[in-house]
Amino acid sequence: AQKITQTQPGMFVQEKEAVTLDCTYDTSDPSYGLFWYKQPSSGEMIFLIYQGSYDQQNATEGRYSLNFQKARKSANLVISASQLGDSAMYFCAHTGGFKTIFGAGTRLFVKA
Amino acid sequence: ETGVTQTPRHLVMGMTNKKSLKCEQHLGHNAMYWYKQSAKKPLELMFVYNFKEQTENNSVPSRFSPECPNSSHLFLHLHTLQPEDSALYLCASSQVHGSETNVLTFGAGSRLTVL
Repeated sequence: AQKITQTQPGMFVQEKEAVTLDCTYDTSDPSYGLFWYKQPSSGEMIFLIYQGSYDQQNATEGRYSLNFQKARKSANLVISASQLGDSAMYFCAHTGGFKTIFGAGTRLFVKA
Repeated sequence: ETGVTQTPRHLVMGMTNKKSLKCEQHLGHNAMYWYKQSAKKPLELMFVYNFKEQTENNSVPSRFSPECPNSSHLFLHLHTLQPEDSALYLCASSQVHGSETNVLTFGAGSRLTVL
């Protein structure tokens, strides 16, 4: 069975600094996708970034980058130049087939 | 309307009531999903509909009954719920190209409280 582990319940970062949110996964799917979603206090989940299991390069989307280490089964999210609006819950997710499962999430607090 | 719309946003019901949650997507996607988000628990996948056919039922109790009349609409019918069913219910849709590139677009959620 697939499993996503996020070991940081909460993280603090100073505005304008970079922060890394950890994610490890376990899967038996030969081909899969790894995702990060953001959930602000309003509740709506927002897609941030995607990494395919066969992609050779790490994914980047603006200030977001995904540090993918397949052998270690990790898919950490790096947010550069943190902004106050980045304060939210962040979820790592795995997709295989039509099924997407999520980790428990990390709450990020950005300090002014 | 754009994206994924969920109604109602808030619902309070008694354990003997029957109510429904509605989800509508305006993105032309071919798959729709129900997730349950409880406090201090990861999002739980409940149901998946792909081209209106249910492809996943994640051991959900029968007091939750999904309905997908077309590829744009998804309902979750609720009856004789328990207080532990109180949660945020999130609807999502996606355009399935390949199995691993399944980006979900979520609605704002329906906050359910069972008294």
